[in-house]
Amino acid sequence: DGGITQSPKYLFRKEGQNVTLSCEQNLNHDAMYWYRQDPGQGLRLIYYSQIVNDFQKGDIAEGYSVSREKKESFPLTVTSAQKNPTAFYLCASSISPGVENNEQFFGPGTRLTVL
Amino acid sequence: AQKVTQAQTEISVVEKEDVTLDCVYETRDTTYYLFWYKQPPSGELVFLIRRNSFDEQNEISGRYSWNFQKSTSSFNFTITASQVVDSAVYFCALTQAGTALIFGKGTTLSVSS
Repeated sequence: DGGITQSPKYLFRKEGQNVTLSCEQNLNHDAMYWYRQDPGQGLRLIYYSQIVNDFQKGDIAEGYSVSREKKESFPLTVTSAQKNPTAFYLCASSISPGVENNEQFFGPGTRLTVL
Repeated sequence: AQKVTQAQTEISVVEKEDVTLDCVYETRDTTYYLFWYKQPPSGELVFLIRRNSFDEQNEISGRYSWNFQKSTSSFNFTITASQVVDSAVYFCALTQAGTALIFGKGTTLSVSS
């Protein structure tokens, strides 16, 4: 089945450790996105990538890093510089960038808890 | 600046009641797209509808209907005869540059039996 997978579903890490969240899509979409969701908040954009080997910062990129070496994969690393990393992280993809009516498809999310 | 406001934080209704979720947006562009997503307890966002700025026709899909009014910059969502399975967080979102979505903070709908 086509879709977006995120792993793991739940992740626990000690404060000060870097952690990488996985996002894979088999929809042949060019664009991929990472959002963060906090309780009572909407989704906020962390990073997005419109094409392989290229990505742009979103509204809250500080303390995060990404890579886009393959079209199918867009992993997100939460670094120790992120002051409040506990949140729900959602990955999304869309067919192509710059198309204004792009529907974004979302993965199931990863809930990160920093102890 | 682009912004989406969902003033209703939480709404509680009893099954079979109709309920309207409000969405007000701000944008300077004349071409833009509006979306509604549903987030059930599982967490995954489910796409409900997309509407472009040039199409102000209301849309109905089963028990769901949407009212888009450019004059008031609103894109409201109505569920008719609500059911327990409608309980979720509903997000309104805006995009104009074909990149990322700008989300409202969401409205949590609780439908009791």
